[in-house]
Amino acid sequence: GQSLEQPSEVTAVEGAIVQINCTYQTSGFYGLSWYQQHDGGAPTFLSYNALDGLEETGRFSSFLSRSDSYGYLLLQELQMKDSASYFCAVEMTNAGKSTFGDGTTLTVKP
Amino acid sequence: DTGVSQDPRHKITKRGQNVTFRCDPISEHNRLYWYRQTLGQGPEFLTYFQNEAQLEKSRLLSDRFSAERPKGSFSTLEIQRTEQGDSAMYLCASRRGMGANYGYTFGSGTRLTVV
Repeated sequence: GQSLEQPSEVTAVEGAIVQINCTYQTSGFYGLSWYQQHDGGAPTFLSYNALDGLEETGRFSSFLSRSDSYGYLLLQELQMKDSASYFCAVEMTNAGKSTFGDGTTLTVKP
Repeated sequence: DTGVSQDPRHKITKRGQNVTFRCDPISEHNRLYWYRQTLGQGPEFLTYFQNEAQLEKSRLLSDRFSAERPKGSFSTLEIQRTEQGDSAMYLCASRRGMGANYGYTFGSGTRLTVV
């Protein structure tokens, strides 16, 4: 079967750094993506890793270790607007279906 | 780029009724996906198309669910004989390119409530 594990909740203060981990066990693996979803909104794409290592996009970075079946999303200089749910998603094939985790709810406090 | 449009935004239906949802993807995106999301969970894959061809359908999907994408443009998702367990947000998404590095652009979803 397919399983992705993420912490259900994370709390941090404005300006801090937070890391959201994701471990996966899937029958196929092409890459790992991350999405942000605000309450009542649609998921929006943040980043994608196909190879081991760190990808940086502004305040957000994403890391992948294929050998450990593990990745994380790193959010720096947290802002109140970063309060949202964050989902990791395994890309099963190249641009085919994805398997999503159940998400991590991030609460940023002043 | 007008985004992915879904209609209706909300649908309340009685158990046993049929419902149909529509999705208009971004015009230059040739892959279109349907996902379902319930509260506290991530999106769950239902099916996807490349142009008008349905390439994969989830084994979790019963025969009551059918999707079409005539002419490779908009898509419809029909649920027949709805059940209370079908209550969820139905999300449509498209991808700009053929690679997984092109993330999904999701629509705002259709929230289905079966009473």
